[in-house]
Amino acid sequence: AQKVTQAQTEISVVEKEDVTLDCVYETRDTTYYLFWYKQPPSGELVFLIRRNSFDEQNEISGRYSWNFQKSTSSFNFTITASQVVDSAVYFCALKTSYDKVIFGPGTSLSVIP
Amino acid sequence: NAGVTQTPKFQVLKTGQSMTLQCAQDMNHEYMSWYRQDPGMGLRLIHYSVGAGITDQGEVPNGYNVSRSTTEDFPLRLLSAAPSQTSVYFCASSGYRGVGEKLFFGSGTQLSVL
Repeated sequence: AQKVTQAQTEISVVEKEDVTLDCVYETRDTTYYLFWYKQPPSGELVFLIRRNSFDEQNEISGRYSWNFQKSTSSFNFTITASQVVDSAVYFCALKTSYDKVIFGPGTSLSVIP
Repeated sequence: NAGVTQTPKFQVLKTGQSMTLQCAQDMNHEYMSWYRQDPGMGLRLIHYSVGAGITDQGEVPNGYNVSRSTTEDFPLRLLSAAPSQTSVYFCASSGYRGVGEKLFFGSGTQLSVL
């Protein structure tokens, strides 16, 4: 069975603070893909990053960084020096060899000026 | 490019009515899917398709039907609407099967069932 857990329902931080969003996944497949998507208040879904199960390199893109650890089945997302524009719901997602994509329940991030 | 087009954007139904949510993509994507989004529940997969003539159930398929007669279109049918189906519905597509391509989403349909 596949499952994605995002234990943090809501997070509130003050602007310029760092914040980490947690994602834990379950799958029996050896080949899979992990994703993060952002949903700002306007409602559209925006792709942020993709990782495959064979690549555990951490990635940094500007103020965003991702920490993938197969040993703990986690794919965490950190925003450094948060800004008000980062306020959104963030979803972690899992795609396995059966092609379907399963999402976590999301974490609502509020960045307070 | 139009990408993924969903219609309608808003719909109000009475309990027991039927309707079809339309989804079309112009990117020649093999994979198409329908999600519903409810507060605190994230995006839950209703049905998906990996190509014309092939569909499968997702996490919450009950009350919904789909078919995929062409690569471009993937309509979602509510046969007898219930208040529990009040939600925001998203259609999504992605490219070649088996590869971890990102999903392209439609703009969503806000459905209310009274």
